[in-house]
Order: sequence, then C-alpha cells, then structure tokens
Amino acid sequence: GENVEQHPSTLSVQEGDSAVIKCTYSDSASNYFPWYKQELGKRPQLIIDIRSNVGEKKDQRIAVTLNKTAKHFSLHITETQPEDSAVYFCAAIFSGNTPLVFGKGTRLSVIA
Amino acid sequence: EPEVTQTPSHQVTQMGQEVILRCVPISNHLYFYWYRQILGQKVEFLVSFYNNEISEKSEIFDDQFSVERPDGSNFTLKIRSTKLEDSAMYFCASVRVSNEKLFFGSGTQLSVL
Repeated sequence: GENVEQHPSTLSVQEGDSAVIKCTYSDSASNYFPWYKQELGKRPQLIIDIRSNVGEKKDQRIAVTLNKTAKHFSLHITETQPEDSAVYFCAAIFSGNTPLVFGKGTRLSVIA
Repeated sequence: EPEVTQTPSHQVTQMGQEVILRCVPISNHLYFYWYRQILGQKVEFLVSFYNNEISEKSEIFDDQFSVERPDGSNFTLKIRSTKLEDSAMYFCASVRVSNEKLFFGSGTQLSVL
C-alpha cells in the first residue's frame, strides 16, 4: 500500500547548524507533500508544504525540496535554534482525495 | 486563524466501556478526518468523512469504531467497547478541499484502564 519512509528517526545538531530530514514515497501519482512540526503533547502544526509541480519552496529558515523522479522530498532547516527542537513528520497525499499518510517522524534536538 | 476544536482534552475510561470523542471542524470545511497517535509513534489515519458518509477508512477502523455528524457542526468518533490498545491521542482534522492545508484539533488523550 501507500507508504512514506522517513529518515533519520533522531537527529541532534548544534545550534546554528543545518538540519536535513528526508522522506521517500511509494506512489508516483502523489501530488502534495506537507511537513508538520509537533511539540510534546501538542497537535501537529503545518510548517511548509510543496506540490508536485514545484521543485523547491522556501520560507525563511525552512525549505523543502522535491525530486519527483526519485520520489523523495526533504526538509531543510538552517541556522537551527533550540526552539526548533520537536518531532517533524513528513506526509503525502497519494492521489485524488485520499487522506494524508505520515512518515514515522524525526526527533530533532538542537543543542545550545 | 480558524481552529478545529475537540472535547474532552482527556478521557479516562475502563476497558469495555463506550467513549465518544467530539470535534467541531472549521465551518466551511468539507472533509473531516480522525487520526490517532500512540505515544511516541506516528500519526495514523483512521477514517475520512465527506458529504455525510465515510469516504475512506483504515484497517484500524474496525467494527468497534463509528463516526457521525449528528448536526451541522459536530463530528464524533465513537469507540463501542474500548480496549487497552485504544489508548492514544486522537486528533480530529478538517480541510476545505483535499490537497490543501489540513487543520488539526488539539486532540483528545484517551486512556483505557
């Protein structure tokens, strides 16, 4: 069935360094790829998304890249800050009106 | 920004009891969802609801689960006879049209004892 693989499961970086989280998806018809940030005990919050007709999207320190040929997309956080520490989930919609399928999450720790 | 609201925030129940989790989606949204998240794990899809009927459901959503939209605003998830493994955070979500930003509620933490 439809699947989203996410790596790494945990990531520790020094404050100010960059963090990169990668996801791969199984269905080439997928057309929408959001990233969510979840702090402990809170709801997932959308931080950035990208559609299949775009290769890259940036919002301040956050960027997402999409490689449709390879079926993978990545989240890039530059100049990381301690408040970036959270669990990040990638997700994908596989076709039409199907629901979002989430990756397993990456626990990012930014060390001051 | 508009919000999806969920009640209660916490629910403790005995195994075998019925629970109803309540959600009020954003008013102009058309697609409604229930997801669950077991502690430390990923967000898992349970069911989607559109045009007053279930449009898709996962393997998790067995006969013990049901959803309802009893009026124009509420969207409920019922678990008929809870099991220990139903303990999780349950998130309601809604979207105006598919392929747009999915708005999550703040969740109901269900604990089955």
